[in-house]
Amino acid sequence: EVQLLESGGGLVQPGGSLRLSCAASGFTFTTYVMNWVRQAPGKGLEWVSAITTTGDGTYYADSVKGRFTISRDNSKNTLYLQMNSLRDEDTALYYCAKGGSDSWSGYYGDYWGPGTLVTVSS
Amino acid sequence: EIVLTQSPGTLSLSPGERATLSCRASQSVTGSYLAWYQQKPGQAPRLLIYGASSRATGIPDRFSGGGSGTDFTLTISRLEPEDFAVFYCQQYGSSPRTFGQGTKVEIK
Repeated sequence: EVQLLESGGGLVQPGGSLRLSCAASGFTFTTYVMNWVRQAPGKGLEWVSAITTTGDGTYYADSVKGRFTISRDNSKNTLYLQMNSLRDEDTALYYCAKGGSDSWSGYYGDYWGPGTLVTVSS
Repeated sequence: EIVLTQSPGTLSLSPGERATLSCRASQSVTGSYLAWYQQKPGQAPRLLIYGASSRATGIPDRFSGGGSGTDFTLTISRLEPEDFAVFYCQQYGSSPRTFGQGTKVEIK
């Protein structure tokens, strides 16, 4: 059974940093691209970032480019999102989503974690 | 960036009725790499359709997707009580991957 479990969320002041983690199990982590998607309270889904199977390719939404860094540790079956220079508008539930394959055609989310809440506020 | 516009914003229907949701892209979606998700309150999204028309594992055949280029549809042939939710489309053929703003299907 595919399982994804995000952690690392919390309350942080504007300008601060957080690192989110997503522990994956139940599938061969190294053969799937991975995504981060967020949802502000009462709002729709916003794609944040994605990463290739090896980590040599990373992609970002314009809203987080230069502030967020996605990475993965295939030896630990874990996906990360380093978030720096946080803003009020980054407040959201952050979901980790498994990609559908190892290629460009796989950047949708076929399995999702329950999410971790990030609140940016002074 | 490809902008996805979903319509209508809200669809009020009764169980047993047919639902047709639209997703229009600001430019052609590469490879018809378009997905549909269902989200219920307090839950993570669930993948329904990928590649515009392929049903995800375990999705009932009353859900179907179609379209290509810039116009895509999600059809629910006969609404079941558990189908009422918010539905999102997403294009993943080009970066940044983008979502539509969602269509809420509510009980009439």
